[in-house]
Amino acid sequence: GEDVEQSLFLSVREGDSSVINCTYTDSSSTYLYWYKQEPGAGLQLLTYIFSNMDMKQDQRLTVLLNKKDKHLSLRIADTQTGDSAIYFCAEYPQTGANNLFFGTGTRLTVIP
Amino acid sequence: DTAVSQTPKYLVTQMGNDKSIKCEQNLGHDTMYWYKQDSKKFLKIMFSYNNKELIINETVPNRFSPKSPDKAHLNLHINSLELGDSAVYFCASSPGLAGGQETQYFGPGTRLLVL
Repeated sequence: GEDVEQSLFLSVREGDSSVINCTYTDSSSTYLYWYKQEPGAGLQLLTYIFSNMDMKQDQRLTVLLNKKDKHLSLRIADTQTGDSAIYFCAEYPQTGANNLFFGTGTRLTVIP
Repeated sequence: DTAVSQTPKYLVTQMGNDKSIKCEQNLGHDTMYWYKQDSKKFLKIMFSYNNKELIINETVPNRFSPKSPDKAHLNLHINSLELGDSAVYFCASSPGLAGGQETQYFGPGTRLLVL
C-alpha cells in the first residue's frame, strides 16, 4: 500500500509560524490534501494542491509541494491557539484503489 | 445543514453483539466511503460505494458489511463485535470517481467502544 509519513508532534508559540511536513510515496498522485481534526471532532478539509503546482496560498495557509522529493508541507502563519489540532496529509494515488491514503497525523500544540 | 451525517455519535456495546452505524449525505454525491481511525489516529479506508456498487474492499473482516439502500446512504453493519473493533469510524462522500480532484467530505465520526 501507499506510505505517507508525518512527524507525530509539533509545538509552537502563539504568533509564530508552524510548518507541518509530509512525505508520500506515489509520484503519480494527482492531488494532495491537508485535513484538520480538532479534539473529538471529524475531519475538516483545509486545502489541497494539484500535482502540477509548487505552491498554493490561502490566507494564513501556505502549501509547498516538492514533487521531485515527494515532500509536502503546510505552513500556518501567525499560529493561534485555535489551530491546535491533528493535521493529516493525504494523497490520492493515480494507481490502485480510488481512495485517499492518509498520513499518521501531526498533533500541533500551540502554547499561549 | 449538515452535509455528511452519522448516527450514532457514540456507541458502547458488548463483545459479540451486532451493531449498525448509519451515514447519510445530502450533497448529491455518487461515491461514499467508510474509514476506520484507530487509537493511534491512523486512518484507513474500509469501503467505498459508487452508485450502489462496492468498488473497493480493503483487507476488512467479513464481519463488516456495508449496505447502501440508495446513493445518499451508506450504512456499516458489524457482526460479532470484537475488542479490536473499538475505533472511530468516519463516513465520507465525494462527487464521483474522476480521481482525486473530487474532494472527500467527512462526517463527524462514530466512536465505537466494545467492552
